Amino acid sequence: GENVEQHPSTLSVQEGDSAVIKCTYSDSASNYFPWYKQELGKGPQLIIDIRSNVGEKKDQRIAVTLNKTAKHFSLHITETQPEDSAVYFCAANFGNEKLTFGTGTRLTIIP
Amino acid sequence: DTGVSQNPRHKITKRGQNVTFRCDPISEHNRLYWYRQTLGQGPEFLTYFQNEAQLEKSRLLSDRFSAERPKGSFSTLEIQRTEQGDSAMYLCASSRTSPLSYTFGSGTRLTVV
Repeated sequence: GENVEQHPSTLSVQEGDSAVIKCTYSDSASNYFPWYKQELGKGPQLIIDIRSNVGEKKDQRIAVTLNKTAKHFSLHITETQPEDSAVYFCAANFGNEKLTFGTGTRLTIIP
Repeated sequence: DTGVSQNPRHKITKRGQNVTFRCDPISEHNRLYWYRQTLGQGPEFLTYFQNEAQLEKSRLLSDRFSAERPKGSFSTLEIQRTEQGDSAMYLCASSRTSPLSYTFGSGTRLTVV
């Protein structure tokens, strides 16, 4: 079936340290993997995405890596700041128009 | 356009009542999606439109749910005979012709009492 697993469910890191969130997906046909950030009372905001023909993508302090063989992808945030505190969701599509989301990671940056 | 607009932001209704939510997508986006998010979970797909055509519906969308996008612009999601299990955040998203790069709205939080 179409399934995305996300770990950890909560993560606390010291300001300035790095944070890593991991997701695995069930279907090798998946070809698009976005990451969303959701702040309290707001809708999810796309922060970075990667397609299956690329192994890594970076945008300033945020990077995503994809391992198609192992069917997992990860979000890396470096030099974390208090404003990075939020819930982060990974997602994948399974050859159709919809996204299947993970269950989220609550990231807390400790000042 | 400043983004995807959803109204109302919050809705409290009694069980058994009907409710309707509205979504105004980014104007040049021809794809529109509805998702539902319950507390502590990721969004779950409900349905999507390409222009005015409803192309896919999830099994989550029971007969009590109906969505429309009459002129390929704004969309409405109606829930009839609401149940407590319908309490959730209802999210709308839109995208350009190239799908999946969604822009989400801020959602409508429904509470059924």
